[in-house]
Amino acid sequence: QQQVKQSPQSLIVQKGGISIINCAYENTAFDYFPWYQQFPGKGPALLIAIRPDVSEKKEGRFTISFNKSAKQFSLHIMDSQPGDSATYFCAASSRRARDTGRRALTFGSGTRLQVQP
Amino acid sequence: GAGVSQSPSNKVTEKGKDVELRCDPISGHTALYWYRQSLGQGLEFLIYFQGNSAPDKSGLPSDRFSAERTGGSVSTLTIQRTQQEDSAVYLCASSFFLGSGGANEQFFGPGTRLTVL
Repeated sequence: QQQVKQSPQSLIVQKGGISIINCAYENTAFDYFPWYQQFPGKGPALLIAIRPDVSEKKEGRFTISFNKSAKQFSLHIMDSQPGDSATYFCAASSRRARDTGRRALTFGSGTRLQVQP
Repeated sequence: GAGVSQSPSNKVTEKGKDVELRCDPISGHTALYWYRQSLGQGLEFLIYFQGNSAPDKSGLPSDRFSAERTGGSVSTLTIQRTQQEDSAVYLCASSFFLGSGGANEQFFGPGTRLTVL
């Protein structure tokens, strides 16, 4: 069962444009929603994260919009730059009932973003 | 080093052989995760370690997979009798532990690319 669905699979945007990536989740126990950026040959790196008690979080050119009732969240990259070309993953995690502190992330399938100069 | 390190970076093996993959987490991080990233897919949780507690092995795909963490630091993921479907990038991540109340950023290593011929 795919608990986090991500779209689109790939995205081509012109420099200066807005990149939008969408994710939908099923598990209502999720309470932490990060976005990761991954360059070829590198591990994913945290870009920005949000909790369900807010509807939007902005850090520089990156904004997460969160819709709890629809169980959807999205990443907006404003003024997209060629250096933003990478694969982006949305993810979600929840606390386990047993207090192990485990916060394993459930990832979407990724979006390959190409920003053309 | 400041980040999570993994070795080897690439491993090519023959079907049926055993392999060991190593992860050195960030110093002071007590939580350690292993994930698997198959070609074109998102990351899949494998196993979680927290301090000296028993590991959470709920993501391991079969009993051919095992992992240990010695001294609460370095971790080794072992795959016995490798199969072609085990070919993937194996990623390790570490984080601080905040108990059940918090979600902390997971820092990923660069991964080990495993190819089973």
